[in-house]
Amino acid sequence: GEDVEQSLFLSVREGDSSVINCTYTDSSSTYLYWYKQEPGAGLQLLTYIFSNMDMKQDQRLTVLLNKKDKHLSLRIADTQTGDSAIYFCAESIARYSTLTFGKGTMLLVSP
Amino acid sequence: DGGITQSPKYLFRKEGQNVTLSCEQNLNHDAMYWYRQDPGQGLRLIYYSQIVNDFQKGDIAEGYSVSREKKESFPLTVTSAQKNPTAFYLCASDRAGTEAFFGQGTRLTVV
Repeated sequence: GEDVEQSLFLSVREGDSSVINCTYTDSSSTYLYWYKQEPGAGLQLLTYIFSNMDMKQDQRLTVLLNKKDKHLSLRIADTQTGDSAIYFCAESIARYSTLTFGKGTMLLVSP
Repeated sequence: DGGITQSPKYLFRKEGQNVTLSCEQNLNHDAMYWYRQDPGQGLRLIYYSQIVNDFQKGDIAEGYSVSREKKESFPLTVTSAQKNPTAFYLCASDRAGTEAFFGQGTRLTVV
């Protein structure tokens, strides 16, 4: 079955870079997503990458995909206290398909 | 503004009662989804609907029911058969060519 794994917690200092990692098992995963959830709120899509890409950059966010190892990472440059949240990795096999989520990584940014 | 709205934000249920969570979207999205979020468990799919008057069970459908009489609305009923309903419930919608948008969630507590 499909499975998405993430580390549960990451703590960094303000101004440092954060790297959140994710692994998935379904080799047919075509779309990989990163969502952000602030306390008591819904999920906000941060970025996504197609499986035929290795990297995608969007301002402070960089997504790296190693399809051979089924490993996805999200790098946040110059991390701010406002980046403190839970970050979810998710995958789907098609653009119009249900998402399978990891359990989320709680990012804590200290001043 | 277009968006997806869940209500209420907080809901309390007595044991043995059915309760209905509302989800409305004005994004003209074809597909709608219900997820359940428990601490440390990530998001798990309850039900989804890709078209009006049709819906499919997700991974944890037991004890829940849905309807999709209108494109804009996808209410979720938590029945008395759901033995552990206390959780945070998230509704999402999308259509082919777009990513999923999430509501702000409903926190259900059994008292």
